[in-house]
Amino acid sequence: EVQLVESGGGLVKPGGSLRLSCGASGYTFKDYTMNWVRQAPGKGLEWVSSINSGGIYIHYADSVKGRFTISRDNTKNSLFLQMNSLRVDDTAVYYCVRGVSGGGRVSTFDYWGQGTLVTVSS
Amino acid sequence: DIVMTQSPLSLPVTPGEPASISCRSSQSLLHSNGYIYLDWYLQKPGQSPQLLIYLASNRASGVPDRFSGSGSGTDFTLKISRVEAEDVGVYYCMQALQIPPYSFGQGTRLEIK
Repeated sequence: EVQLVESGGGLVKPGGSLRLSCGASGYTFKDYTMNWVRQAPGKGLEWVSSINSGGIYIHYADSVKGRFTISRDNTKNSLFLQMNSLRVDDTAVYYCVRGVSGGGRVSTFDYWGQGTLVTVSS
Repeated sequence: DIVMTQSPLSLPVTPGEPASISCRSSQSLLHSNGYIYLDWYLQKPGQSPQLLIYLASNRASGVPDRFSGSGSGTDFTLKISRVEAEDVGVYYCMQALQIPPYSFGQGTRLEIK
């Protein structure tokens, strides 16, 4: 059974930093692109970042570019999101999400973690 | 960036009745390779989103056959043939043609009358 378990969320002041982790199990982690998707309280879904299986191809949403860094450790089946210069509008539940290929590209998010809440407030 | 627009934003449905959710994209999601890069997700109350439909019309594993996806170009529809109580939640469409970024619709909240 595929499982994605996020950790590292919490309360942080504006301008602060936080590092999220996601532990994966139940599949061959190193074979899949991974993503972070967030959801502000009462709002919709927003893709944040993706990293390919080898950790070479990395993409960010404009809203976090230059402040967030995605990484992975395939030896430990783990995904990370380093969040710096946090802002109040970064407050959200952050989901670790597996991407799967369809039609020649990573087109679908087939497994989602339970999410970890990040609250940015003074 | 491609903008995804869903309608309606709220959908009250009587159990046993059909339901339909529309999703429009600001650009065609049909690739020259013939694939349509449009997925549907359902977020049940208090849960993480789950995959329902991928590549516009393919049901994900374990998804009941009362759910179907259709459409091409810029107009897409998620249909539920007979709504059940367990179908309540927020439905999102997402495009994966022009990435990054992946972009989601605003969500449609389905509730039982």
